[in-house]
Amino acid sequence: AQRVTQPEKLLSVFKGAPVELKCNYSYSGSPELFWYVQYSRQRLQLLLRHISRESIKGFTADLNKGETSFHLKKPFAQEEDSAMYYCALSATGANSKLTFGKGITLSVRP
Amino acid sequence: EAEVAQSPRYKITEKSQAVAFWCDPISGHATLYWYRQILGQGPELLVQFQDESVVDDSQLPKDRFSAERLKGVDSTLKIQPAELGDSAMYLCASSFDRGAYNEQFFGPGTRLTVL
Repeated sequence: AQRVTQPEKLLSVFKGAPVELKCNYSYSGSPELFWYVQYSRQRLQLLLRHISRESIKGFTADLNKGETSFHLKKPFAQEEDSAMYYCALSATGANSKLTFGKGITLSVRP
Repeated sequence: EAEVAQSPRYKITEKSQAVAFWCDPISGHATLYWYRQILGQGPELLVQFQDESVVDDSQLPKDRFSAERLKGVDSTLKIQPAELGDSAMYLCASSFDRGAYNEQFFGPGTRLTVL
């Protein structure tokens, strides 16, 4: 069975502070990990995936297979980062379903 | 820019009534997904189509839920009869069917309230 755990529901930081959104997973095979984001009044969209190893909007995430974690990080938060963030997992391969965590609300205060 | 369309955006119904949701995926996307998102939770897959065929409906409550994608394009999700616990956001997503990984593009969702 595959499972994604996001231990916190809310993270509130001041603008310019570092951000780390935690994600742990459980999966017997070799998973693909993603972060999805939903800004206010917008649809759910892909932020980044581990296989691409890229930085999007200043966010990065490293897959740690030993700790089965995929934490999302940003060194300096911006107000426009305020949103709902979901960690998700899928099996390797095309068109595999996503298993989502419960999500975390990031609030960046001015 | 092409987007996944869903209708209606909001639906209020009474328990025991029938409801139906419609999804039009991005043109050319062969894979279509229906997810249910209960308040405070992440989306959970209900059913996945590859063209007109069901690939995964293991989490679909088949006694009351049905889904179809007759021509392999748009799709309808039906609930009959609706129950109070069905109140949730119903999300449709689609993805292209080539390559090692295909990003899923989500629609705006249909928010269902069962009274």
